[in-house]
This record gives sequence, structure tokens and C-alpha cells, in this order.
Amino acid sequence: DIQLTQSPSSLSASVGDRVTITCRASHDISNNLAWYQQKPGKAPSLLIYSASTSQSGVPSRFSGGGSGTDFTLTISSLQPEDVATYFCQKYNSVPLTFGQGTKVEL
Amino acid sequence: LHVEESGPGRVKPSETVSLTCTVSGGSIVKDTYYWGWIRQTPGKGLEWIAIIHHSGTTFYNPSLKSRVSISIDTSKNQFSLTLNSVTVADTAVYSCGGTGGGYFDPWGQGTLVTVSS
Repeated sequence: DIQLTQSPSSLSASVGDRVTITCRASHDISNNLAWYQQKPGKAPSLLIYSASTSQSGVPSRFSGGGSGTDFTLTISSLQPEDVATYFCQKYNSVPLTFGQGTKVEL
Repeated sequence: LHVEESGPGRVKPSETVSLTCTVSGGSIVKDTYYWGWIRQTPGKGLEWIAIIHHSGTTFYNPSLKSRVSISIDTSKNQFSLTLNSVTVADTAVYSCGGTGGGYFDPWGQGTLVTVSS
């Protein structure tokens, strides 16, 4: 199975900071990667799919990049409402797998 | 489109747990959509379990395939998951969702299943 490794596992940043989270796949997955945001007690919410396509309604400060094995999720200017855990997921083939998550705190 | 899980809450080791996901705001009969289950634990994180198409086509996580069955009832706009021979390790929040391209959207709030004697 293809493994996804996210880094860092947690980070602390200030409002207005640029934040970058990395997701590395153990094998080439082309651009078949999604990013989710999960706030405490809530269901994960889709942010990005196809590595860099933003889901409708997602603030423009969120962007995704990468292809192959290395991917990034960037928050250009961190806002208080962005405090959450972020997950990546690969879907080029089954089994679908997820990264272990990155907790973003202020 | 909205999905909502329902389940027993607590089951005993070795028993079978059955979960149901109700789809609202649209039809479960969407040719481009699969419907599936994911579970989440503090220790193992997010784990994909299975997906099903309204035609009956299914895909399972090999790690759970021997104990899991997913089914769909298009007349009720619901799909279900059964997991048998549960152990404490199956204690998790079980969520359902729809996937049109491999990524999940929508994704339900989840229902906690606790395996305890």
C-alpha cells in the first residue's frame, strides 16, 4: 500500500503567518491527492482535490501544489478560524489512504 | 447533499456492528458517485473501510475485507456497513461519505462505536 507521511505533525503560528504543510507519498500518485480540514468535533471538510484544485467556497488563502510524491498545502495568511487538523488523502487506487494529520494552532 | 450516520453506540467484543448512512438532498443513484465508510481513532488516524456504487460494485480495504460488508438500498437512499467479530481495536468514530473522484465530499459527522464488555 502507498503510505502518506505528513510533516510537521503539529505547528504553532501567528495570525497572518504563511503556513506550509507537506505530504509525501511512498510511490508516485500523479496528482491524485486531496486535502481536508477538520475542526474539533466536526467532520472533515474538503479543501483541495487533484493536488491543486480548490473546492468551491474555500477561501483563497488555501492553496495546494505538487505532483508525483511531494505535495504541499499552504495557508497564505493564517486566520484564527484556520485552527484545525489538516489531512491529506491519496486516491489514485484502492486502498484509499490518509496522512496522519497536522494540527495547526495559534 | 448531506449524509448522516446511525449506529448502536456500544457493542460487545466478538459481536457484529451494523451502521447505516442516510443520504439527503439528492439521490444515492448517481452514476459518477461511490458511497463509503471511513473510521477515525486517536491512535491510527483515518482509515478507509469500503465504498459501494449504486450498481453494487464494491471495493474494500484489504486490512478489513474479511470482516466487513457494505450494502446499498436505493429505495431508502441509504447504504450500510457491517463489521463482524469486533474487538476493542475497532472502537472508533465511523463516518460515511460520498466520493465522485476518490476524495470524500460530503462527509458525515460520524458516529462513535465503542467496543466494550
